[in-house]
Parts: sequence; C-alpha cells; structure tokens
Amino acid sequence: AQSVAQPEDQVNVAEGNPLTVKCTYSVSGNPYLFWYVQYPNRGLQFLLKYITGDNLVKGSYGFEAEFNKSQTSFHLKKPSALVSDSALYFCAATGAGSYQLTFGKGTKLSVIP
Amino acid sequence: EAGVTQFPSHSVIEKGQTVTLRCDPISGHDNLYWYRRVMGKEIKFLLHFVKESKQDESGMPNNRFLAERTGGTYSTLKVQPAELEDSGVYFCASSRGPLNSPLHFGNGTRLTVT
Repeated sequence: AQSVAQPEDQVNVAEGNPLTVKCTYSVSGNPYLFWYVQYPNRGLQFLLKYITGDNLVKGSYGFEAEFNKSQTSFHLKKPSALVSDSALYFCAATGAGSYQLTFGKGTKLSVIP
Repeated sequence: EAGVTQFPSHSVIEKGQTVTLRCDPISGHDNLYWYRRVMGKEIKFLLHFVKESKQDESGMPNNRFLAERTGGTYSTLKVQPAELEDSGVYFCASSRGPLNSPLHFGNGTRLTVT
C-alpha cells in the first residue's frame, strides 16, 4: 500500500529565512511525487512534481524539492520565505501506472514577519 | 482557462437526508477525480473517471455513495442517506492526461451532517 508521511503538523519560520517542509513516501516501483499548496477556503494548487530525471525539481513561486531515493524523501524548500507563503502544504505520491494519489496529512507553514 | 468548479461550497444536512455535490471540470479534461478530507486527516481518494467511465472506485466508502459523470462532462456525487461520519470536505479534480499531469482542484464542498 502507498503511504506519505509529513512528520511536522506545523512549521514556523521567520520571513527571509530558508524553509523546509518534510515529506517521506512509500510506493511500489518508481514514484511520482507532488507538492500542492492550499490557501484558506481554496482548493489545492499544484506547486511542483518529480516524475523522472534531475533530483532537484523547481516549481512555482520560487519553491523547489529534492528527490532522495535512498531516503525515500521529497522535501520542499525555499531559500527565502515570504509572509505570503503561509498556507497548508500537502505532499502526494503514487506509483507508475496508478491513478490514485496518496496524500500526507499536510503541514501548516507560518511565516512570521 | 476556467478552473474546476464545485457546487455548493457548503452544505449542512441532517443525518438520513440526501445530498448531491456537483463538479464541473476544466473543459477538455478527460480525467476527473473525487477526493475527501475528513477533519484533521489525510485527503483520501474516492474515485476516478475517464470521460464517462468509472476507472477506479475503490476508494468509495460504501454503497451510500454514488458518483456519475454524464456524457463525460460534469460529475455528481450523491450521498444517500447521509451519516455523521460523512462530514468533511469533498474535492473534485481534473487533468488532461495521465497522472504525471498535475491535477487541477476545485475549492471543495464542505459537507456537515448533523
């Protein structure tokens, strides 16, 4: 069975500091990995994905994520946090050939001015 | 392009009543998904349509839930009769192609069963 873990319910970071939101996964075969962001009263918005290729993936709004196969991790990062980055972040994964995305519980990111 | 639209945004019903949620995907998106998030828990897959055909409904909780996608366009998810544990946020998403295409989510329908 597929699973995704986001070990932190909440991450607090000062504006301008780097941020990391952690994600580990378990899927059969090669993983397809995604990060989505949810702002209040809105749907999930796609940030970035890893399918194959370069382990460092760049996405929207200056976010990036690093795929680490040996650690089965896909942490989300940004070099300099903005107050407007405050939102709920979801990591999701699936295996090749599956159409079911498995989500983590979400991590609430708060960027403090 | 217009996004995925869900209606209603909120619904409060009593246990035993029926509720129908609607999703209008992005035009041209053959793949349509329903997901649900129960308070404080993970977002869970419910089912997947390709055009009008159900490809995978393994996530549907029980036979009180019925999803349809008329003519491969909009989709409805009916809960009949509703139970307290059905409360949560129901998300619809659509995509043009295979799963390596990102999903486009609607804003969700918050269902409260009292």
